[in-house]
Amino acid sequence: GAGVSQSPSNKVTEKGKDVELRCDPISGHTALYWYRQSLGQGLEFLIYFQGNSAPDKSGLPSDRFSAERTGGSVSTLTIQRTQQEDSAVYLCASSGTVGQGGYTFGSGTRLTVV
Amino acid sequence: AQRVTQPEKLLSVFKGAPVELKCNYSYSGSPELFWYVQYSRQRLQLLLRHISRESIKGFTADLNKGETSFHLKKPFAQEEDSAMYYCALSIQGAQKLVFGQGTRLTINP
Repeated sequence: GAGVSQSPSNKVTEKGKDVELRCDPISGHTALYWYRQSLGQGLEFLIYFQGNSAPDKSGLPSDRFSAERTGGSVSTLTIQRTQQEDSAVYLCASSGTVGQGGYTFGSGTRLTVV
Repeated sequence: AQRVTQPEKLLSVFKGAPVELKCNYSYSGSPELFWYVQYSRQRLQLLLRHISRESIKGFTADLNKGETSFHLKKPFAQEEDSAMYYCALSIQGAQKLVFGQGTRLTINP
């Protein structure tokens, strides 16, 4: 596609429920990133996928968070047993140039846990 | 550990005045620095990168390795510059960016 697409744009869920957030990167981009944007916290790295390599999961805050990338394209971030502190904007980005940091970001999914 | 610090959460200047958004980093190797901007209701987007030594929308940023800084500057601020600005560090050989906490810039008319 022309840009990075994320869905849903907004998600309100009850505490304890599971949620899935989807990211469709720019076609041909081999690198895909998930970040979390919280008020006053800046952008927090969550996970990074590069081609067929094992993902860098070092930023996932707990084992309730997981992500997968199927076929080197679409990625799903899953949060199990959501907590109120999970409320944030979840941003996906992709990059086609290794190591140069020129990310293209999606518009994000605003998650609200009530 | 690698870290990016933006000491000002909020910065307010008048239109036409110079603006400087501060960014300091902590990294012992050879860094690559970036500025990202997020305008109201828009996506986060790349503004400029130090390796390009470019000026975008009148903004420039110079990497100062001695002071470990990458401050963003513009000589004459415009109202449309109001946005959230993030400084980011790419570690040599690594793929992910480390972001600062961001500075919300407001240009007053």
